[in-house]
Amino acid sequence: QVHLVQSGPEVKKPGASVKVSCKASGYTFTSDGFSWVRQAPGQGLEYMGWISAHNGKTNYAEKFEGRVTMSTDTSTDTAYMEVRALRSDDTAIYFCARINFRNRFTFDYWGQGTLVTVSS
Amino acid sequence: DIQMTQSPSSLSASVGDTVSITCRASEDSSNYINWYQHKPGKAPNLLIYGAFSLQSGVPSRFSARRSGTDFTLTISSLQPEDFATYYCQQTYSSPFTFGQGTRVEIK
Repeated sequence: QVHLVQSGPEVKKPGASVKVSCKASGYTFTSDGFSWVRQAPGQGLEYMGWISAHNGKTNYAEKFEGRVTMSTDTSTDTAYMEVRALRSDDTAIYFCARINFRNRFTFDYWGQGTLVTVSS
Repeated sequence: DIQMTQSPSSLSASVGDTVSITCRASEDSSNYINWYQHKPGKAPNLLIYGAFSLQSGVPSRFSARRSGTDFTLTISSLQPEDFATYYCQQTYSSPFTFGQGTRVEIK
């Protein structure tokens, strides 16, 4: 069965960068893609963008364009999401999700989430 | 961007009740609408995809319908494990926006 396992919690200072990983198993990695979604404390789900694991094509929400980079490594079946120039309002749980291009871009499997805390 | 306006923001209900949550899309989203259940400390869980289709393994007490740009999730006979926050999402055009969420609480 499909599993997405994310890296552990991170604490960063403002201005730093963070890179979160999402290791996939249980399916053909390059058949779909990954989306990243975050949830700030007390807030709802916020879509950040997606990447195709087949060809590396990306699509970022305008809010994150230029500050976020999504990537994949097909040799390890792992997706990555890097956020640069961190601010306190980037404190959130970051989720990866498989985006199923064959089924209306549905986010059908999710990782367990990675807490990123930005604090001086 | 397509905005998803979800209501209510919260509701209180008892075990056995039937509840409905509605999302209104700001423009046509075809049937590219998904519904997720999210519990604190857990990964969101896909319930409904393609506006109407029940994800494998999801109980049949969850159902969904569409009327124009209004999409409704109904939970029949609420069970204790159904108390959670529910989100709609459109994946018709990027950015793939979520509704604001509906918290279903125990009365």
